Parts: sequence; structure tokens; C-alpha cells
Amino acid sequence: NAGVTQTPKFRVLKTGQSMTLLCAQDMNHEYMYWYRQDPGMGLRLIHYSVGEGTTAKGEVPDGYNVSRLKKQNFLLGLESAAPSQTSVYFCASSYGDRGNSPLHFGNGTRLTVT
Amino acid sequence: LAKTTQPISMDSYEGQEVNITCSHNNIATNDYITWYQQFPSQGPRFIIQGYKTKVTNEVASLFIPADRKSSTLSLPRVSLSDTAVYYCLVGALDTGRRALTFGSGTRLQVQP
Repeated sequence: NAGVTQTPKFRVLKTGQSMTLLCAQDMNHEYMYWYRQDPGMGLRLIHYSVGEGTTAKGEVPDGYNVSRLKKQNFLLGLESAAPSQTSVYFCASSYGDRGNSPLHFGNGTRLTVT
Repeated sequence: LAKTTQPISMDSYEGQEVNITCSHNNIATNDYITWYQQFPSQGPRFIIQGYKTKVTNEVASLFIPADRKSSTLSLPRVSLSDTAVYYCLVGALDTGRRALTFGSGTRLQVQP
């Protein structure tokens, strides 16, 4: 049981380039989330999804787009990367939409934009 | 959003009990309180969750007073491997679609 898997683990982009981060979960969870974590800070929610085909904005959505075409996958896209998007990106999933459904996290993607 | 406030850092020694308190003054009626642990280069890991009174599992205890405006994570007899950042998370994605937002966490350093 792999849980939540993120690819790639590391990536370096030049300003203006685009890329897609992939998150896959094998727990049949309805809810999936993308967070970013900057040095010395907590996690900030970028976008989330409450089911296949749905997406919603979180706390810091600007500069990112997401898609949830399949229940098990949640993609995070950067259309034109900026140095301010240098961060560690974490994907998470949960089985329910209430606060009593713990989040299961992947091990992150470390992105550097030069 | 239910904003949380935690101490930035705490120090302890092996074998001691550690208590980390989180304040959440505007917690909503349907909010649960969840604590996560994060090691460097890893995603956060669920530790314990509660709604009211006391919850205990094999890892920790969670104490929640009657007014639910704060909660305390208790780690019994910590070891070096408990050195990590601990996050208190309060909220629910209910019909209002409120987002789950983490605070800055408490960095616990356990020394020999």
C-alpha cells in the first residue's frame, strides 16, 4: 500500500517554464489537497478537490492550476514559473470532508525556480 | 477560518513528558482538533485527533477543555526521535468549504 505518491521528488525550472506535479493516492480517498511549505513556515493550502472532476481554491491559489480527471490523481500545474514559487510542495488526501478525516501526505516535491 | 497559535519552539530532554498547547479561540462547533508531526524532508504525519475531553493512543494524549478554545498535546517520555515540528490543525471542509490551514507549528528539540 503506497499511500500518497508524488512525482517528481526534485525539479529545477527556469523562470517562465511550465511543469506539472503529479499526485497519486491508492486509498480511494475522495478529497485531495495541494500545499506549499516555505522555509520555517507552516503549510499553506493552494488548491483542493472534493471529488473527481472538482477543484477549489485554497489560501494561495495564484499562479497555479489543478485538475482531478481521475479520482486517484490530482495534478498541480505551473504555467509560467516564478522564483516566488520556489518551495516544497506537498500533496495530501483524506476519505471525508470533515475535520475528523486525517490527512495523509506524500513526501513532497522540492521545486527551485531560477 | 479557525486560526491557531502555538509556541514557536520547545526544548526537552530524553525521558521527560512534553506538553504543547495550541490556542484556537474561534473554533467552530463542528471543528475537530488534529495534531501532526513532521520530520525534515517528509510530509506531516497524523498523530492524534479529538473533539472534546481527552483522547489517548499509543503515541500521545490530547487534552481538550470544555470550552474547546485550546488543546494540549502530551508526549510521554520523549526520545531523540521525537525531535520534529508539531502542527495543530483545526477545521473542517464542511458545506461552507472552509479550508484546512496549518499554523507555523512548534519545533521540538529533544536532547540527550
